[in-house]
Amino acid sequence: EPEVTQTPSHQVTQMGQEVILRCVPISNHLYFYWYRQILGQKVEFLVSFYNNEISEKSEIFDDQFSVERPDGSNFTLKIRSTKLEDSAMYFCASGDRSFSGNTIYFGEGSWLTVV
Amino acid sequence: GQQLNQSPQSMFIQEGEDVSMNCTSSSIFNTWLWYKQDPGEGPVLLIALYKAGELTSNGRLTAQFGITRKDSFLNISASIPSDVGIYFCAGPITNFGNEKLTFGTGTRLTIIP
Repeated sequence: EPEVTQTPSHQVTQMGQEVILRCVPISNHLYFYWYRQILGQKVEFLVSFYNNEISEKSEIFDDQFSVERPDGSNFTLKIRSTKLEDSAMYFCASGDRSFSGNTIYFGEGSWLTVV
Repeated sequence: GQQLNQSPQSMFIQEGEDVSMNCTSSSIFNTWLWYKQDPGEGPVLLIALYKAGELTSNGRLTAQFGITRKDSFLNISASIPSDVGIYFCAGPITNFGNEKLTFGTGTRLTIIP
């Protein structure tokens, strides 16, 4: 079964450092997403990306965050200057339509710890 | 924004028991989804519901889309150890043709040996 893969699985970084989380979406998918989950809380939408541009972003996705699809296969989330409250599990997801629940697949997540 | 509230927050049951959990919203959803999350992993879709009143099964799981479109129920029959995890309901929110999922608060299921 096709899957979304994410790297790294866990990263520890110092406050103020830049972090890049990487994702390889499912190959024929066109819609890409980042979600995050703070420990013990629900999964929250960050940003959606289609046709090489952001289609929607949440209030969490401020100027410190950016996304990029640099080479047609990877999809990255960059946090320019990390804060303690950025510590969370970050999930990449991809889908082949703008929305249909049974075609959105989540990766296993990248656990970010900011110290 | 639209919020999905799940109850109960957590459940402690014995293996073999049936489980029932629900999800309610203050606003209408046209699709309801149920995901399961194992520790340290991403959400995995269990069941998708697309029509009010719909009842859908996936093995031992059964979910219903409430008639009011403001709630949904998930039942698990004859629970087994691998059912342990957090169950989230989710619904899509559409803005100008772009869609995103909003997740519920989760129900944590623990099976007592």
